[in-house]
Amino acid sequence: SQQGEEDPQALSIQEGENATMNCSYKTSINNLQWYRQNSGRGLVHLILIRSNEREKHSGRLRVTLDTSKKSSSLLITASRAADTASYFCATAKTGANNLFFGTGTRLTVIP
Amino acid sequence: EAGVVQSPRYKIIEKKQPVAFWCNPISGHNTLYWYRQNLGQGPELLIRYENEEAVDDSQLPKDRFSAERLKGVDSTLKIQPAELGDSAVYLCASSLDSTASNTGELFFGEGSRLTVL
Repeated sequence: SQQGEEDPQALSIQEGENATMNCSYKTSINNLQWYRQNSGRGLVHLILIRSNEREKHSGRLRVTLDTSKKSSSLLITASRAADTASYFCATAKTGANNLFFGTGTRLTVIP
Repeated sequence: EAGVVQSPRYKIIEKKQPVAFWCNPISGHNTLYWYRQNLGQGPELLIRYENEEAVDDSQLPKDRFSAERLKGVDSTLKIQPAELGDSAVYLCASSLDSTASNTGELFFGEGSRLTVL
């Protein structure tokens, strides 16, 4: 069973705009990770945020984590057409060694 | 450095036929995962190996699925016999190490897309 739920399921924006995706999960976690998947390809790790962190940046990516609400958000600033992909959050549950993936947000950036 | 290598990339078979997928993880990665991804969904874990030991196979349908990881390196995932509902992408991933307090970054292969007719 999948742990997380992403919202929205699909998002379409113009190039240059910011894209925000949200992830909600159900149980306590050690960390939360975001992955990107281009069509027909494998997943690529973007960023990891630990349960004791609230915000993390990497280039044009900004991730927040609110453990009290069991939610996270991924912000992509100044989007590019090449950012078009599906984005998944994955949670590492406390006491477990596995990553559980959400259902994903399909992002389309229109040139 | 080579990434996770999977083969075949695509496989089309008729139902009731067997099929096998192969995965070569990144050198030095002790943990290997097999995930299944249905169309429009996120990956779902099938089995996780620590070296050659299957430490979590609770989601593997053992009546028809089997997996092995010889010598703690390459791994194969087999389905016999395949059913229509097995059509999916089978993803292999590896990580350097994985503990209960520190599940780190996973490196994924390109996946093997299975179509069962």
